[in-house]
This record gives sequence, structure tokens and C-alpha cells, in this order.
Amino acid sequence: SQELEQSPQSLIVQEGKNLTINCTSSKTLYGLYWYKQKYGEGLIFLMMLQKGGEEKSHEKITAKLDEKKQQSSLHITASQPSHAGIYLCGADKTGNTPLVFGKGTRLSVIA
Amino acid sequence: DVKVTQSSRYLVKRTGEKVFLECVQDMDHENMFWYRQDPGLGLRLIYFSYDVKMKEKGDIPEGYSVSREKKERFSLILESASTNQTSMYLCASSQPGTGTRSKLFFGSGTQLSVL
Repeated sequence: SQELEQSPQSLIVQEGKNLTINCTSSKTLYGLYWYKQKYGEGLIFLMMLQKGGEEKSHEKITAKLDEKKQQSSLHITASQPSHAGIYLCGADKTGNTPLVFGKGTRLSVIA
Repeated sequence: DVKVTQSSRYLVKRTGEKVFLECVQDMDHENMFWYRQDPGLGLRLIYFSYDVKMKEKGDIPEGYSVSREKKERFSLILESASTNQTSMYLCASSQPGTGTRSKLFFGSGTQLSVL
């Protein structure tokens, strides 16, 4: 089955600093989804990438999918306390199949 | 605002009890899913459904069953709860298809403790 590896597992950054979270697949991805989860709550959709080399941004968060469609990165610029939470990547294997998720990256932003 | 509603945020049950977790969506979505989330293991798919009265096993269906009698409602059933089913349960729904259109919408989750 498709496995998604996220790194790092956890991250503590000072407010205002930039950070990057990575998501690597063992197989070529049909689609890659990024979600954010506040502690103890459901997941909120951030972005979806489908084409090799694609890049999308939402406010201060940018996600990229590499040309081979096996790795994605999520970059946060000038982090704020509101960015704290768990970031999860999810992969669509072939289209219209249930998403498989990575184990998540726990982000803490300190003043 | 579109919504996936899970009936309980917190639930405490005893070993051996039959447990029902309810999920309702108001977006007329075809697809519905049940995941469980555990520290260190991430989200794992239990069951899913692409249509009313249709169900498919996910990666970890043992000890669970589901019911989808109506399009908007997808119930997860623990036939005889055990302590290793203590977990956060997340329901999600989506439109069929591919790309952003088929993104998952999640409920707030149910934290189930089995004692």
C-alpha cells in the first residue's frame, strides 16, 4: 500500500520564523492534499496539488509538488501562533480512492 | 456553511458494550468515510461508502461495521467495544471525482474511551 512519510514529526519555531514540512511518497502520486488540524479537532483542507512542479499558496502557506510527483513540501513564511497545529499530507493513489495520510507534523509556534 | 456533524465530541464506554458513532453531512455528498487517529499511527481508514447501502472495508475494519441507510448519514458501529478501540474517530465526506472537487470535509471528531 502507498506510504507517506512526513518530516519532521514535530517542530518548534519562534514566531516570525520560516519553516518547511516535507511529505514523501513511495509511489507516484495522483494527487496530494494538505490539511491542518487544531488539537483535538477535525481536519481543515489547505491545498491540493496534482501536476508535477505545481505550486500553490494560501496566505503565508505555500505548497509544492516535485516534478516526479513523489514529494511535496509545505512552507510557512513568518510563522504566527495561529499556524500552530498538526499538518497532514494525504495522497490520492489513482483518483477517486480514499486518501491515505501521513502521520502528521506537530507545529508549535512560540513567542 | 457546509458541515459534517459527529454526534458526540467525547464518549466513554465499557468493554463489551455496543457503540454507535453517528455522522451526518449536509452537502449531498456521495462519498463518506470513517478514519481513526492514534498518536504515532496517524489516520487510518476503517470503512467507506460511495453510495447509499454500499460499504467497503478500509485498512483496519476488524471489530467495526457500518451502516448507510440514507445518503447523509454514515454510522460506525463497534459491535463489542474493546480497550484497543480507544481512539479519536473522524468522519469525512466528499464529492465523487478527482482533484480539488473531491477534497474531504471532516467532522470535529469523537474521542472515544473504552474502559
